[in-house]
Amino acid sequence: DAGITQSPRHKVTETGTPVTLRCHQTENHRYMYWYRQDPGHGLRLIHYSYGVKDTDKGEVSDGYSVSRSKTEDFLLTLESATSSQTSVYFCAISETEMNTEAFFGQGTRLTVV
Amino acid sequence: AQKITQTQPGMFVQEKEAVTLDCTYDTSDQSYGLFWYKQPSSGEMIFLIYQGSYDEQNATEGRYSLNFQKARKSANLVISASQLGDSAMYFCAMREGERGSYIPTFGRGTSLIVHP
Repeated sequence: DAGITQSPRHKVTETGTPVTLRCHQTENHRYMYWYRQDPGHGLRLIHYSYGVKDTDKGEVSDGYSVSRSKTEDFLLTLESATSSQTSVYFCAISETEMNTEAFFGQGTRLTVV
Repeated sequence: AQKITQTQPGMFVQEKEAVTLDCTYDTSDQSYGLFWYKQPSSGEMIFLIYQGSYDEQNATEGRYSLNFQKARKSANLVISASQLGDSAMYFCAMREGERGSYIPTFGRGTSLIVHP
């Protein structure tokens, strides 16, 4: 199994509070991604990183920010959590080559009340 | 426009029968890769099979095969001899070349239920 760990696995937070989710990898993969999964929407890309301090927005980036100060860590921050950000969040990693699959973390279930 | 379209929200199949899960894609890149993932009720994402745009033969991995029709831009997953453990969500995904920055894009998924 690919070495990718998400923390926390579950979190309940109040509307308006900041929340940070952590993704840690031991595979030294260049690319790291944050997706959210919602029923009927599949997985939608929030942000991604293609190297240390190199990040870019995905399809649903509003209300989220990311940072990657080390190859192995990719942080997702909800600046001021809203109920619409209640979701399951997945971190994924991959090599650059197109014929390589993405490896996923176990997911974080976030509930904003 | 969606890059990956999975038109079947839910599918049912009898145990031991074959089932095809549909996936169509949209890209203007010549070089791209197509993937299928399985997500059982436990939530983890499991890679199943890969097809490259230049691969002339359809990919196969055990009971999984990918019916790749490039002109139609379809990449259907065929599961032969279904088992109860195949009940899960299935996601089709694509990685494009330079224009797509190699970012995996996913469809909305198909829920497969295998009946005994």
